[in-house]
Amino acid sequence: GAGVSQTPSNKVTEKGKYVELRCDPISGHTALYWYRQSLGQGPEFLIYFQGTGAADDSGLPNDRFFAVRPEGSVSTLKIQRTERGDSAVYLCASSLILPEYTGELFFGEGSRLTVL
Amino acid sequence: RKEVEQDPGPFNVPEGATVAFNCTYSNSASQSFFWYRQDCRKEPKLLMSVYSSGNEDGRFTAQLNRASQYISLLIRDSKLSDSATYLCVVTSGSNSGYALNFGKGTSLLVTP
Repeated sequence: GAGVSQTPSNKVTEKGKYVELRCDPISGHTALYWYRQSLGQGPEFLIYFQGTGAADDSGLPNDRFFAVRPEGSVSTLKIQRTERGDSAVYLCASSLILPEYTGELFFGEGSRLTVL
Repeated sequence: RKEVEQDPGPFNVPEGATVAFNCTYSNSASQSFFWYRQDCRKEPKLLMSVYSSGNEDGRFTAQLNRASQYISLLIRDSKLSDSATYLCVVTSGSNSGYALNFGKGTSLLVTP
């Protein structure tokens, strides 16, 4: 498909478990973003990659959260020792160039994480 | 203080009405501004960028006031299909990158 692909679409896990969420951006998009969105809230910035490197990870809430993008394409968001408060929709977005210039982030449909 | 503040609404308006949404941002270094639209249980999508001189796209008009750190979106002749959440988005202005910060969103319901 031509859009941003996120897997899994739904993940239910138990408190304390480890979770990985995957994002496959639009081919050729150099910038990749992770956000999380809770019910009734706007997307909350987590981390942004330009190529393989994390250009801004200031939104990661704590050291249980980590993200990688080793080859500059697919990215994985990793959450250790999950807590109930981590339950949210995790959104990935990509853009061709810095969105500061175009404004267009293309979002995936999100991965809904539920921590029991 | 949250970087981007919006009135969450909901705004309930009849078809054909004009409705305006407001947004304020706290970081005076922010350089770029946008409105995104998000339908229920869907991902956000770009509605329009906001330029300093103000800009219009059909029934939608966006305005920016840098001095007041204020952004607005005006929707004229509302359609049922305009029902959605409208997200105000501002770049962080950070030297370390260009995070896009989203407001909580303003919910609009257009009724027949």
